[in-house]
Amino acid sequence: ETGVTQTPRHLVMGMTNKKSLKCEQHLGHNAMYWYKQSAKKPLELMFVYSLEERVENNSVPSRFSPECPNSSHLFLHLHTLQPEDSALYLCASSGGKGYNEQFFGPGTRLTVL
Amino acid sequence: SQQGEEDPQALSIQEGENATMNCSYKTSINNLQWYRQNSGRGLVHLILIRSNEREKHSGRLRVTLDTSKKSSSLLITASRAADTASYFCATALNTGGFKTIFGAGTRLFVKA
Repeated sequence: ETGVTQTPRHLVMGMTNKKSLKCEQHLGHNAMYWYKQSAKKPLELMFVYSLEERVENNSVPSRFSPECPNSSHLFLHLHTLQPEDSALYLCASSGGKGYNEQFFGPGTRLTVL
Repeated sequence: SQQGEEDPQALSIQEGENATMNCSYKTSINNLQWYRQNSGRGLVHLILIRSNEREKHSGRLRVTLDTSKKSSSLLITASRAADTASYFCATALNTGGFKTIFGAGTRLFVKA
């Protein structure tokens, strides 16, 4: 256990569905991250929140919408996804001002039909 | 090529042997980190080496950093079957902020 939890662990959704991924960290960290991990591709940084303010947004399609209501919780809202969005979505958190080690959750395996 | 490339892409060794993985990067970094990932799970941080450090040890892990060559290596000594996993290097850029760039990883298989 890394102190970062993600739910659900597995999700299958159709292209017209709306779903949300949830991440919670119990480490007192001030930064939270969403990453996408596709087969045979490097981990892609999607969003970073520091003190609940979005500080990184890496040209992610608008069908992915992040929300950070407080420093312990992070959501990724999904709507009208495409099959190529099927991947492992990883949440991470870190303390300090950046540069520091990140603690990852177990991930949500998303399949878009 | 991209920031943070690991070499080799895959490595298969016998238990008890040493495993060496390399990472190359392109831009100035604040630090370089190594992570491990078991199949389909989250990443686990192994070790962080700062740009002004040359070598660091943690248990059976030894990491070196050569900023002049923009490269790093991770050595796992006396490998065990339980070391079977993917290993990623990640570079924290020196531009400030929270952007850490991960490589594609080295898949290590340790045969018992």
